[in-house]
Amino acid sequence: EVQVVESGGGLVQPGGSLRLSCLISGKKFNNYWMTWVRQAPGKGLEWVANIKEDGSDKYYVDSVKGRFVISRDNAKNAVYLQMNSLRAEDTAVYYCTREFFNWGQGTLVVVSS
Amino acid sequence: SYQLSQPPSVSVSPGQTATITCSGDELPNQYVHWCRQRPGQPPVLILYKDNKRPSGIPERFSGAIAGTTGTLTISGVQAEDEADYYCLSADRTSTWAFGGGTKLTVL
Repeated sequence: EVQVVESGGGLVQPGGSLRLSCLISGKKFNNYWMTWVRQAPGKGLEWVANIKEDGSDKYYVDSVKGRFVISRDNAKNAVYLQMNSLRAEDTAVYYCTREFFNWGQGTLVVVSS
Repeated sequence: SYQLSQPPSVSVSPGQTATITCSGDELPNQYVHWCRQRPGQPPVLILYKDNKRPSGIPERFSGAIAGTTGTLTISGVQAEDEADYYCLSADRTSTWAFGGGTKLTVL
């Protein structure tokens, strides 16, 4: 059974930084694209970023370009989301997903002073 | 950024058929996928590559694509199908987008 577990969320002030982590087990990790998706309170799903199997290609939604960086460590079956210059509108539950087939429970990020 | 359009809500009686549409300019060239999300739960993939069902998804969930519109059809709707449904697709620049979501109400 595939398990996806996110961590690293929390309360951060505007302009601050946070690093989210996602660990996946039960699948050969380096065979798959990995994606971060977020959901603001009471809102719909928003695709944030994804990264190719070997980390060579990365794509971002326009609203986070230049502020967020996605990365992965295939030796650790982990994908990360470094979030800088955080804004109130980044407040959301952040989900990690393996090609949309497997999802974690999400980690909550709150950006507030 | 790429935009996918869905109706905000669809209502249907138990046993009837629910149809949810998703419109996007790139859909003639890109697959559409569908997720279901129940309150307080993470999304679940219910269809991928237009009309393929992951293991464990009942046959009453089906999909189709015609031009710029993808369609999710739920036959014989059950109370447990009440949820938010999202379409998902990529554009030619390899960035992805979700539709705004459709709330399915089972009357």
